[in-house]
Amino acid sequence: EAGVTQFPSHSVIEKGQTVTLRCDPISGHDNLYWYRRVMGKEIKFLLHFVKESKQDESGMPNNRFLAERTGGTYSTLKVQPAELEDSGVYFCASSQENYGYTFGSGTRLTVV
Amino acid sequence: QKEVEQNSGPLSVPEGAIASLNCTYSDRGSQSFFWYRQYSGKSPELIMFIYSNGDKEDGRFTAQLNKASQYVSLLIRDSQPSDSATYLCAVTYGGSQGNLIFGKGTKLSVKP
Repeated sequence: EAGVTQFPSHSVIEKGQTVTLRCDPISGHDNLYWYRRVMGKEIKFLLHFVKESKQDESGMPNNRFLAERTGGTYSTLKVQPAELEDSGVYFCASSQENYGYTFGSGTRLTVV
Repeated sequence: QKEVEQNSGPLSVPEGAIASLNCTYSDRGSQSFFWYRQYSGKSPELIMFIYSNGDKEDGRFTAQLNKASQYVSLLIRDSQPSDSATYLCAVTYGGSQGNLIFGKGTKLSVKP
């Protein structure tokens, strides 16, 4: 089966611009998660979707971040406006049994 | 604040030796425990998960859990250079719906 796909793999934007990250989970996986790793820090949870509903968004850093999952398939994570501290690697993961998530290869975001 | 602690390493072992990776967690409410392997620039890949006290073996890997001591470890027997990677410990608090809380990871280097 195809894995979790994320794009772009890299994005370099200027402070104040908008960036949208996309995640395509494994087909049939109801659960979709967003995580972020800032340099030197641990991977941190951002958001959990079950189908199209936000199950838990307690990890979202502020209202500049907006995640959507229309139709319960792919998800987007938009950062608007981007700040320097938003730089990092954004991972998406999906699971069906809620254990043993499969991670995507991540999007490396650099805000300059 | 729920935390997961790991030694950052690097942990260096000779080929064929046993590599021992350790992890402690702060909250006794932790329910599920995972070890992920991450090669540089790649996505985290699930190696083992464990839910109950004791040992769980899968091939060359053994996960050990001690809930009383809030301690989980990963042993890699007959270490190979291809095992060189960062190993991430992660725990969940919400059962099957839980989101992962990661440690910073331990970098393992297996010398030929």
